[in-house]
Amino acid sequence: QAVLTQPSSLSASPGASASLTCTLRSGIDVGAYMIYWYQQKPGSPPQYLLRYKSDSDKQQGSGVPSRFSGSKDASANAGILLISGLQSEDEADYYCMIWHSSAYVVFGGGTKLTVL
Amino acid sequence: QVQLQQSGPGLMKPSQTLSLTCAISGDSVSSNSVAWTWIRQSPSRGLEWLGRTYYRSKWYSDYAVSVKSRIIINPDTSKNQFSLQLNSVTPEDTAVYYCAREYSSFFDPWGQGTLVTVSS
Repeated sequence: QAVLTQPSSLSASPGASASLTCTLRSGIDVGAYMIYWYQQKPGSPPQYLLRYKSDSDKQQGSGVPSRFSGSKDASANAGILLISGLQSEDEADYYCMIWHSSAYVVFGGGTKLTVL
Repeated sequence: QVQLQQSGPGLMKPSQTLSLTCAISGDSVSSNSVAWTWIRQSPSRGLEWLGRTYYRSKWYSDYAVSVKSRIIINPDTSKNQFSLQLNSVTPEDTAVYYCAREYSSFFDPWGQGTLVTVSS
């Protein structure tokens, strides 16, 4: 079982909100981890969006709009990237990441967000 | 503004050594508050952190277990750059390779990426 699991795709309408999940493997407590989020558009490297551990321990990337935010769902053992007021330019792949003792850095498999 | 510029060959044969360089502008490879990292991306393996080098009074390197026996990441202080060397490549090493700065535990910025294809 992968350390981080993301749904492969998600579709949402312009102006709506999209909630992208990053589920941690059973036995890895999401509450203990800072979750990092990256956005990648075709032909470009990933770009750092934000990180979230708790409401008191989070950081927005430089220049990243406030409509991108992080949260957690402890009951689902998942980190969440919430994008509100979706725009066509938000169509991209989104990756979560953690620092994990087993492998230094672990990335999720990514979610392809389609805005239509 | 920090920028990373990658260079290196894109086509290789199995068993050869992959060598890529990442030139840094706007920061120093010898900075004691960041690390310099290589990450690759392929359809089969996704994003994969390969390793890093960093300076904290002396030089350190950390490597992913999956490539630890084949990888070297070196700083070049005279040219303010760092390099990736991956030995004995196979077709499974075919990927887009990125260099990146690790700052405060996140990666930013990233290099432009280099597609490396391993094929006989």
